Amino acid sequence: GESVGLHLPTLSVQEGDNSIINCAYSNSASDYFIWYKQESGKGPQFIIDIRSNMDKRQGQRVTVLLNKTVKHLSLQIAATQPGDSAVYFCAENTSGTYKYIFGTGTRLKVLA
Amino acid sequence: KAGVTQTPRYLIKTRGQQVTLSCSPISGHRSVSWYQQTPGQGLQFLFEYFSETQRNKGNFPGRFSGRQFSNSRSEMNVSTLELGDSALYLCASSGQGSNSPLHFGNGTRLTVT
Repeated sequence: GESVGLHLPTLSVQEGDNSIINCAYSNSASDYFIWYKQESGKGPQFIIDIRSNMDKRQGQRVTVLLNKTVKHLSLQIAATQPGDSAVYFCAENTSGTYKYIFGTGTRLKVLA
Repeated sequence: KAGVTQTPRYLIKTRGQQVTLSCSPISGHRSVSWYQQTPGQGLQFLFEYFSETQRNKGNFPGRFSGRQFSNSRSEMNVSTLELGDSALYLCASSGQGSNSPLHFGNGTRLTVT
């Protein structure tokens, strides 16, 4: 498949280690945030979301942290696996705008 | 439940032509959005439709248009194609209520030569 982004920041982690992917969002009025995973040749896949009235949300092997003070979002992946290799995007939404603003993406490479 | 379906998967067109892309949302989803993805610009919002009405539009020229049908299926059209329109065009659907996540299809890869 074609590259999603040729010059994305890349995070390389050893298999089994934890990964942390960061995102700075742009709009202080944004009240809903999503992390997406995109594999080559596929569309973005929903991982986890969080609303602005929360600071932390956990899913299966993933945790999202939201710091509204500094407009920062992070995705933590526990026990990273080869199948986690992909490009990860954060997305922000403000209620009533019906559109999402996406971050530039981070490429995660899992080393065996 | 079937996911978002986009057709065709790949398209090759020449400059000046027009193209129509199709999207079938997840059953029950009435909101359909379109995004353009390029290596240089990332994911950029094109437009969003709900119940056949466009509720928001991104910063794209008027050559980019869309519509939604009564069954929630959507099409987008690009007229007078330019080389810079080469991109992955992604359609996403979402359920009702604010803060409903987008569910994406696998996109249509458009190449303009």
